[in-house]
Amino acid sequence: QKEVEQNSGPLSVPEGAIASLNCTYSDRGSQSFFWYRQYSGKSPELIMSIYSNGDKEDGRFTAQLNKASQYVSLLIRDSQPSDSATYLCAVKRGGSYIPTFGRGTSLIVHP
Amino acid sequence: NAGVTQTPKFQVLKTGQSMTLQCAQDMNHNSMYWYRQDPGMGLRLIYYSASEGTTDKGEVPNGYNVSRLNKREFSLRLESAAPSQTSVYFCASSLDGNTEAFFGQGTRLTVV
Repeated sequence: QKEVEQNSGPLSVPEGAIASLNCTYSDRGSQSFFWYRQYSGKSPELIMSIYSNGDKEDGRFTAQLNKASQYVSLLIRDSQPSDSATYLCAVKRGGSYIPTFGRGTSLIVHP
Repeated sequence: NAGVTQTPKFQVLKTGQSMTLQCAQDMNHNSMYWYRQDPGMGLRLIYYSASEGTTDKGEVPNGYNVSRLNKREFSLRLESAAPSQTSVYFCASSLDGNTEAFFGQGTRLTVV
């Protein structure tokens, strides 16, 4: 049973719209949460880390964490075609060295 | 600031050949990881090293060995390559068990 679930997509949004990417996890002991972006043929690149409930904003990106409901989401405002990529959610249990990755959601931003 | 550096970037092996993938980080991180990524399978952990001097198996360790040579370097060895090991391999590092991991640029390995 996969511990981190993401909709594989593709999620298609028009340029300028808000893209909403969701991730659910099964381990209630999870303490650290990460969003990565991966362009085709490239390595995963960290976008944001979030450790406590609520919202965390960085430029056009907002991560939202709800530990009670066991989900973490990523909002991308004013989406651009350059945001088209696969977005990976990763979760770490408290005290564990191993991040567990979801399989990623493909995002397509069309002009 | 190079971050995480992997060599080689591309490699073609014949079945049964051996090779070592090299990884080095210059961020003074304690933990290092080796992942493979296959279409539709996501990132799967092969081995990890929580700190210098320790290594542990991940989700898919069969057919691989690792060496944490020092704090900077973590190598992955394929003793007898098989076509099922055709994949993209990523090395990653993190400061500790709670913080984010940073990835190298990957090695695309084909076993024929």
